[in-house]
Amino acid sequence: GQSLEQPSEVTAVEGAIVQINCTYQTSGFYGLSWYQQHDGGAPTFLSYNALDGLEETGRFSSFLSRSDSYGYLLLQELQMKDSASYFCAGIKAAGNKLTFGGGTRVLVKP
Amino acid sequence: EAGVTQSPTHLIKTRGQQATLRCSPISGHTSVYWYQQALGLGLQFLLWYDEGEERNRGNFPPRFSGRQFPNYSSELNVNALELEDSALYLCASSLARVAIGFEKLFFGSGTQLSVL
Repeated sequence: GQSLEQPSEVTAVEGAIVQINCTYQTSGFYGLSWYQQHDGGAPTFLSYNALDGLEETGRFSSFLSRSDSYGYLLLQELQMKDSASYFCAGIKAAGNKLTFGGGTRVLVKP
Repeated sequence: EAGVTQSPTHLIKTRGQQATLRCSPISGHTSVYWYQQALGLGLQFLLWYDEGEERNRGNFPPRFSGRQFPNYSSELNVNALELEDSALYLCASSLARVAIGFEKLFFGSGTQLSVL
């Protein structure tokens, strides 16, 4: 099977840096995606790592190490609007479906 | 350009009834995915439709079914509703199959189904 594990909650203050880890157990795994979901809203795509290494998109960066079955999302210069749930998601080519982790709720405090 | 739209926004049913949820993908998108999100939990994959056919389904009982129409819109049917079916049902679309190459999903805001 395929499962992705994330911490359930992280709290930080404005301006801080938060790292959300995602570990997975699977074979035939292709890439790791990250989605953001505000309360009551739709999940929105943030980033995708097909290869090992760091992908940077503004204040957000995502990292993947396939040899370690591990990735993370880095949120820098935290803002209040970053308070949301963040999901990692992985895909197996054979299944052609995107499987999501349980999500990490990030709470940004003033 | 309109995003993924879902209807209704909220749906209240009683145990044993049937629910029908609808989804219109982004124009030009041929793949539609359904996910269930129980309160405070992650997204559980339900169904994937592409070009009018069911391509994959998650670990849900057969009373969860659906279809995709020629215009690529989709509906999800849940028969014999149970209390634990209460959840947010999210529809997503993509331009092509989520395969070895990458294709990101665009989500609708969901239908909140409450089973009483």
